[in-house]
Amino acid sequence: DAGVTQSPTHLIKTRGQQVTLRCSPKSGHDTVSWYQQALGQGPHFIFQYYEEEERQRGNFPDRFSGHQFPNYSSELNVNALLLGDSALYLCASSFGGSLWGYTFGSGTRLTVV
Amino acid sequence: ELKVEQNPLFLSMQEGKNYTIYCNYSTTSDRLYWYRQDPGKSLESLFVLLSNGAVKQEGRLMASLDTKARLSTLHITAAVHDLSATYFCAVDTTQGGSEKLVFGKGMKLTVNP
Repeated sequence: DAGVTQSPTHLIKTRGQQVTLRCSPKSGHDTVSWYQQALGQGPHFIFQYYEEEERQRGNFPDRFSGHQFPNYSSELNVNALLLGDSALYLCASSFGGSLWGYTFGSGTRLTVV
Repeated sequence: ELKVEQNPLFLSMQEGKNYTIYCNYSTTSDRLYWYRQDPGKSLESLFVLLSNGAVKQEGRLMASLDTKARLSTLHITAAVHDLSATYFCAVDTTQGGSEKLVFGKGMKLTVNP
């Protein structure tokens, strides 16, 4: 039973570019949340998707957008990249809210130069 | 806004010793999670604490939750080098019918032989 799969694992982009990160949730999970973890910090909530809609959003600018597909997989898009966007981006999937806990993927390490 | 504070943030201890680390949070929540993160890796779920007075143990780690005091503890018994990692507590918060995790800054544990 595959867990949460994220791609790519590493990515280097230039300031001003756009990036798309992908996440496939654990089998049976229908909710996907995205978190940003800067070096030496705890993860910060970006947004959550359920039934292909954004249910909740953290304190991130509109440059951060997402999408959820009918098969529950999700994308995170970041436009006009800044150096400060360099971080580990984690995807977490869950089912029926958080009562059964969250499963985190291995993350995408984004470096903006 | 929910805030989660961990202390200490850094801990160096010798093998065989015991220690307790703390996680305080600022608003009511009935779900608290402990995660472990190795350098460059994703989050590994350690414990999910769902109610006041909950206590869970796995190997040399034991976690407890006091929702009235808004406090969770993670007790380390007879530490071994393999426990060296960063430990995060995270609190579930509900907004608009959906949940998100708010993380502490993490505690970096180094266990010395």
